Amino acid sequence: AQRVTQPEKLLSVFKGAPVELKCNYSYSGSPELFWYVQYSRQRLQLLLRHISRESIKGFTADLNKGETSFHLKKPFAQEEDSAMYYCALSGNNYGQNFVFGPGTRLSVLP
Amino acid sequence: DAGVTQSPTHLIKTRGQQVTLRCSPKSGHDTVSWYQQALGQGPQFIFQYYEEEERQRGNFPDRFSGHQFPNYSSELNVNALLLGDSALYLCASSRARDSPLHFGNGTRLTVT
Repeated sequence: AQRVTQPEKLLSVFKGAPVELKCNYSYSGSPELFWYVQYSRQRLQLLLRHISRESIKGFTADLNKGETSFHLKKPFAQEEDSAMYYCALSGNNYGQNFVFGPGTRLSVLP
Repeated sequence: DAGVTQSPTHLIKTRGQQVTLRCSPKSGHDTVSWYQQALGQGPQFIFQYYEEEERQRGNFPDRFSGHQFPNYSSELNVNALLLGDSALYLCASSRARDSPLHFGNGTRLTVT
């Protein structure tokens, strides 16, 4: 069964500090992993996907198949990074069914 | 481009009633998925429509049904509403065979 866990409900860091939001998954095949973000009063939107290997807004995430993890990292947090972050998994088959984690609220303090 | 649009934004219903929620996908998208997001939880997959057919379904009872129209817009219907159906219902669209999902702002359903 597909499952995504995010162990931290809330993560608070100071501006300029490094941040890591944890995500672990379970899936028997080769999944696609994503991070979605929801800023205050905005819709859920894609932050990054592992196959793109991009850095978006300074965030990166590396898929570690051995540890079944897809942690989101940023070396220097900014106040505007405060938001709700969801890790999501999609089975790599036609007609994708996304499974979302419970989310982590990141609060960047001034 | 208006993106994914959902209507209504808020809805209050009584237990046992039926509700219909509507979604228009982002321009160029032909696949629509519906999610239920309870307070404090991540979105839970309900079902996905492509070419006017339900292609995949999550762990939701038959009280939840849907439809996709030739213009790719979609409806989510919930019959015999329960208090536990109170949630934010999100619609997301995508191109077939191409992720990721683009979400609407959701419909907040309250069942009293």
